[in-house]
Amino acid sequence: DQQVKQNSPSLSVQEGRISILNCDYTNSMFDYFLWYKKYPAEGPTFLISISSIKDKNEDGRFTVFLNKSAKHLSLHIVPSQPGDSAVYFCAARSPGTYKYIFGTGTRLKVLA
Amino acid sequence: GAGVSQSPRYKVAKRGQDVALRCDPISGHVSLFWYQQALGQGPEFLTYFQNEAQLDKSGLPSDRFFAERPEGSVSTLKIQRTQQEDSAVYLCASSEGLAGAGANVLTFGAGSRLTVL
Repeated sequence: DQQVKQNSPSLSVQEGRISILNCDYTNSMFDYFLWYKKYPAEGPTFLISISSIKDKNEDGRFTVFLNKSAKHLSLHIVPSQPGDSAVYFCAARSPGTYKYIFGTGTRLKVLA
Repeated sequence: GAGVSQSPRYKVAKRGQDVALRCDPISGHVSLFWYQQALGQGPEFLTYFQNEAQLDKSGLPSDRFFAERPEGSVSTLKIQRTQQEDSAVYLCASSEGLAGAGANVLTFGAGSRLTVL
């Protein structure tokens, strides 16, 4: 039973347009959510986080939105650049635990 | 060091062999995690250390898996009598603070890719 789901395995977007990556979760107790980016043969790199008490967090071209009632979060990348082509993972943590639970990832391809 | 360093980057083992994977976390980082990433999947939690104490090993798939961090810095993940289903990328991550404090962002190494023939 997957607690964190990324239902789109892949996404293609034109350079300069918006990329929207989605993530759904089942546990309403999750207190922090992270987004990571992963290039081939490298480890995941942290992008942006959001606390469950917020509904939006922005960092440059990256914005994460959290909809707690829908148990849904999304990562917006504007404008998308070819260098953003990678696999994106969302991760969630239960309060008082150590581990982040990761989704299966979405492969983003930004077309020049 | 500047980042989390893992070795070896690639390991091919025959079924039944023992393997040891090493992780050098960022200097001073208190928390250290091991994750397993199978092909096409997201990372899955294996175990967590706070300094030298292994506080959670609930994700280790069997008693063939063993991890240690004896001096609170370098960690080793050992897999005994490897099986084909152990083939995966093993990721190590460290974080500055305690695991339950704030967002506690993890910094990952590049991983060790294990292939068991």
